[in-house]
Amino acid sequence: EDKVVQSPLSLVVHEGDTVTLNCSYEVTNFRSLLWYKQEKKAPTFLFMLTSSGIEKKSGRLSSILDKKELSSILNITATQTGDSAIYLCAVPPQGGSEKLVFGKGTKLTVNP
Amino acid sequence: NAGVTQTPKFRVLKTGQSMTLLCAQDMNHEYMYWYRQDPGMGLRLIHYSVGEGTTAKGEVPDGYNVSRLKKQNFLLGLESAAPSQTSVYFCASSYEGAAQETQYFGPGTRLLVL
Repeated sequence: EDKVVQSPLSLVVHEGDTVTLNCSYEVTNFRSLLWYKQEKKAPTFLFMLTSSGIEKKSGRLSSILDKKELSSILNITATQTGDSAIYLCAVPPQGGSEKLVFGKGTKLTVNP
Repeated sequence: NAGVTQTPKFRVLKTGQSMTLLCAQDMNHEYMYWYRQDPGMGLRLIHYSVGEGTTAKGEVPDGYNVSRLKKQNFLLGLESAAPSQTSVYFCASSYEGAAQETQYFGPGTRLLVL
């Protein structure tokens, strides 16, 4: 069964800290891995990682795919209170490129 | 460009009542999805559609039906609501399949079944 596991489930840090969020997956025929940020309402897209694009960066956020370890990390440096959100990781399951399997998410709280 | 919109935003139902959630997108996307999100469970796919007139089951389809009569609209129906269907429902759309590109999410519908 295709599976996406995120850790930790929740994390509380202070502004300025650096955090690393983890996502591991069990899916055959890997195609891509996506990271989303969910604040109060709808998830919004952060990164897509594929075999040809294993590292992405945008400002203070960066993500790396480790195909050997079947995992990905999302790094946030110099965290701000606005980074407080649930971070979701998702992969397409075997034989289904139309849909995604989501992990349960990591709830990040950044305190001032 | 409104993106993905959902109606209603919030609804309270009694057990056994029926209702339809409407999702609309103005981005000419082929693919549309309905998810539910429950505390500690993440996003789970209910049904999805790969084009007008098509629907397919997702991870948790029981108790729900969908229709995609027009490309821009994706309807989620609850024929006989149960308290277990209390959840936040998100609609999403994408031009290509989820493996190829990001999905765009609507703002969600909060449903409470008493």
